[in-house]
Amino acid sequence: QLQLQESGPGLVKPSETLSLTCSVSGDSISSGSIHWGWIRQPPGKELEWLGNIHYSGRTYYNPSLKSRVTISVDTSKNQFSLNVSSVTAADTAVYYCARAISHFHGYVFGYWGQGTLVTVSS
Amino acid sequence: DIQMTQSPSSLSASVGDRVTFTCRASESINSYLNWYQQKPGKAPKLLIYVASFLQSEVPSRFSGSGFGTDFTLTISSLQPEDFATYYCQQSYSVPYSFGQGTKLQIK
Repeated sequence: QLQLQESGPGLVKPSETLSLTCSVSGDSISSGSIHWGWIRQPPGKELEWLGNIHYSGRTYYNPSLKSRVTISVDTSKNQFSLNVSSVTAADTAVYYCARAISHFHGYVFGYWGQGTLVTVSS
Repeated sequence: DIQMTQSPSSLSASVGDRVTFTCRASESINSYLNWYQQKPGKAPKLLIYVASFLQSEVPSRFSGSGFGTDFTLTISSLQPEDFATYYCQQSYSVPYSFGQGTKLQIK
């Protein structure tokens, strides 16, 4: 059974880098054309797509975060990771990792991790 | 970037009711519109993809339709477990974007 599990610090200081890892079990992160993505949700607000990665290392990012977001993959550990640099209070959110597959065009998020709350505060 | 707008922002209904949610894209997205259900403290769950395809194991009381810029999600007969927030998401172009959600509450 496919499971995704986010891990990382729950508290990050302003101006520092937020780093999270998503561990995948029940599926190979190197599966074909599947993408692995990060989505976040500030408390009480809507979902925001941050980016996707393919196991080859090809990435797709949301330009709204400019160049602050980096997503990487470690196929040997069946994990992928998220870094958000120069964080502010506006980056406080529940961060979800997800598995995305393409249905004809684009990518749809069919499996999600449980999410992890990251608070940015000094 | 494509903006997604959902209406209404909240909706009150009773068990057994038929309810419809609306999602509008700021430009045509063909059929590449997906619907998710989110319950408090939980991750979103995919219900419908590419406008009208029912995700595996999702009850058949859920259905979706639409093309271009206007889409709907319908629940034919509300069940107690359906009270949640519903989000639409376009997968037509990057950056993928979500609507602001419609919260379905018990009347």
